[in-house]
Amino acid sequence: GESVGLHLPTLSVQEGDNSIINCAYSNSASDYFIWYKQESGKGPQFIIDIRSNMDKRQGQRVTVLLNKTVKHLSLQIAATQPGDSAVYFCAENIGLLKLTFGQGTILTVHP
Amino acid sequence: DVKVTQSSRYLVKRTGEKVFLECVQDMDHENMFWYRQDPGLGLRLIYFSYDVKMKEKGDIPEGYSVSREKKERFSLILESASTNQTSMYLCATWTDPSYEQYFGPGTRLTVT
Repeated sequence: GESVGLHLPTLSVQEGDNSIINCAYSNSASDYFIWYKQESGKGPQFIIDIRSNMDKRQGQRVTVLLNKTVKHLSLQIAATQPGDSAVYFCAENIGLLKLTFGQGTILTVHP
Repeated sequence: DVKVTQSSRYLVKRTGEKVFLECVQDMDHENMFWYRQDPGLGLRLIYFSYDVKMKEKGDIPEGYSVSREKKERFSLILESASTNQTSMYLCATWTDPSYEQYFGPGTRLTVT
């Protein structure tokens, strides 16, 4: 889930394992959600998105699940690789070109 | 591929200085954004622009202004830099119908 204060949640996995990163969003009226990956020293990079009329969307090695009942979003990464190590955060569209971003989860993949 | 560039990766300025952060995009996107990113606070929207010479305040506009004279360029201005403006600044662009925002590499600004 998202962090409170200065310490981000962390997830450590072994190479080849599946990873699940969670996000709780705040606005029940949000109609669009995005997952971003941010590597050290770089700007955020789009991974996958999902609209509120969907429960699941799959990309290459990634799946996003949306549970509107409990306002929860998850990102599943299959066969995690060392290059997947980064901070992952979700964003929700609250309208009028605005996105609200979560604080992120640090994923560390051990070879 | 969309390319968003920012004028500096690292910048050190003194308190009270006027600071310009420049962002340029090459994809003719209408919408451009400035965020700051701080540990534990995530990305927070400072200002955005949906057209040339148009600007809208984001969530934390105090102490900042912006300029968009050309479609491809969006500048963030700190009129009188203060130490609490030390942060990572990220520029992003966005075009309809996709909601995907494309980010630049960021400028890490230190105000001493």
